[in-house]
Amino acid sequence: DAKTTQPPSMDCAEGRAANLPCNHSTISGNEYVYWYRQIHSQGPQYIIHGLKNNETNEMASLIITEDRKSSTLILPHATLRDTAVYYCIVRAGGTSYGKLTFGQGTILTVHP
Amino acid sequence: IAGITQAPTSQILAAGRRMTLRCTQDMRHNAMYWYRQDLGLGLRLIHYSNTAGTTGKGEVPDGYSVSRANTDDFPLTLASAVPSQTSVYFCASSGELGNEQFFGPGTRLTVL
Repeated sequence: DAKTTQPPSMDCAEGRAANLPCNHSTISGNEYVYWYRQIHSQGPQYIIHGLKNNETNEMASLIITEDRKSSTLILPHATLRDTAVYYCIVRAGGTSYGKLTFGQGTILTVHP
Repeated sequence: IAGITQAPTSQILAAGRRMTLRCTQDMRHNAMYWYRQDLGLGLRLIHYSNTAGTTGKGEVPDGYSVSRANTDDFPLTLASAVPSQTSVYFCASSGELGNEQFFGPGTRLTVL
């Protein structure tokens, strides 16, 4: 699975959009981009995933560049409860098992 | 039960003792996983199971064993615990390979 690079930490004001970047320059054609987050002391939580088209759900939007070498997770109106570690994960489709390789992630702090 | 549960929540264990961490899901998911999370190392996959009756090794399987007698349960056993197995253990499940994984609340294990 391709390696990802994320900034170690970011800040965001409550009510503003949080834009979390992820670089995955070695991504291959059958690899998906997944985002998970982990709130302190809890298990990771799935947010969203995509292959090449932009995706949106009730939690967030995922913007993938045309060359697929980077992506951005957007939390449109961040709240204090969105403070967490956010993981960008690239994983091949059709693997023999759904292994997720978690890196160090981005610590997002939402402040009042 | 709603979702995925783990037991115990936390445990302190003497080195050399046998310990089984329990994981149960009520979502009828085929695939289940065990991860450990250590500071600075992120989450690492220990073992996985694609479906009841089958199991496979992840990236750090040594010292651990699993079984999958039915769809709902996926226990993780430490036959003879060692201090390096001190960690937070997360169980996860997914309905189909490639779909999002749902994580349990974790078990904090300390081996002295």
